Amino acid sequence: NAGVTQTPKFRILKIGQSMTLQCTQDMNHNYMYWYRQDPGMGLKLIYYSVGAGITDKGEVPNGYNVSRSTTEDFPLRLELAAPSQTSVYFCASSAQGGVLRGTQYFGPGTRLLVL
Amino acid sequence: ELKVEQNPLFLSMQEGKNYTIYCNYSTTSDRLYWYRQDPGKSLESLFVLLSNGAVKQEGRLMASLDTKARLSTLHITAAVHDLSATYFCAVSSNSNSGYALNFGKGTSLLVTP
Repeated sequence: NAGVTQTPKFRILKIGQSMTLQCTQDMNHNYMYWYRQDPGMGLKLIYYSVGAGITDKGEVPNGYNVSRSTTEDFPLRLELAAPSQTSVYFCASSAQGGVLRGTQYFGPGTRLLVL
Repeated sequence: ELKVEQNPLFLSMQEGKNYTIYCNYSTTSDRLYWYRQDPGKSLESLFVLLSNGAVKQEGRLMASLDTKARLSTLHITAAVHDLSATYFCAVSSNSNSGYALNFGKGTSLLVTP
């Protein structure tokens, strides 16, 4: 199993550009999450999904959108990129139910620089 | 709002020494996690603590949970250089938030000779 994969690994955007961060998991997990990590800070939740077709906002959703058309994929869309969105973005997934419910497995991250 | 506080945020310790990282959280939760992050890397799960009094050990790391005090500790025994990393504790929210994690700011650990 590849686990959670993210693309791209690194991207530079100009202010006002848009892009989609891709996230795919092959563990058949229902729950998926997007977090951002800023220097010296913990991770903050952007959006989450509890299954295909179901998404909801987290703590810092402004400037982002998500969709979940399949169990495997959970892309994060940035519209009109701003310097404040410079960050490292992590996608994570977790199983539903069972002893390991809630344990989240993280992808390698996407480093985004907005100039 | 669930808040998670770790201390210390920075820790420099000599090889062979012992130390404890503390994690306090503001509201009840049924599970607490410890993750490790190496520079430029992703997060690696270390421990999941499910109940009051839970203790888990892996090598030189031991984690414990006191749900009444809303406190978890990560104890490092006889530190070695390979333990240098940032350690995060995270508390699970409830099902209404998809069991999303609320993270502390992390403790950056540097083990020196």
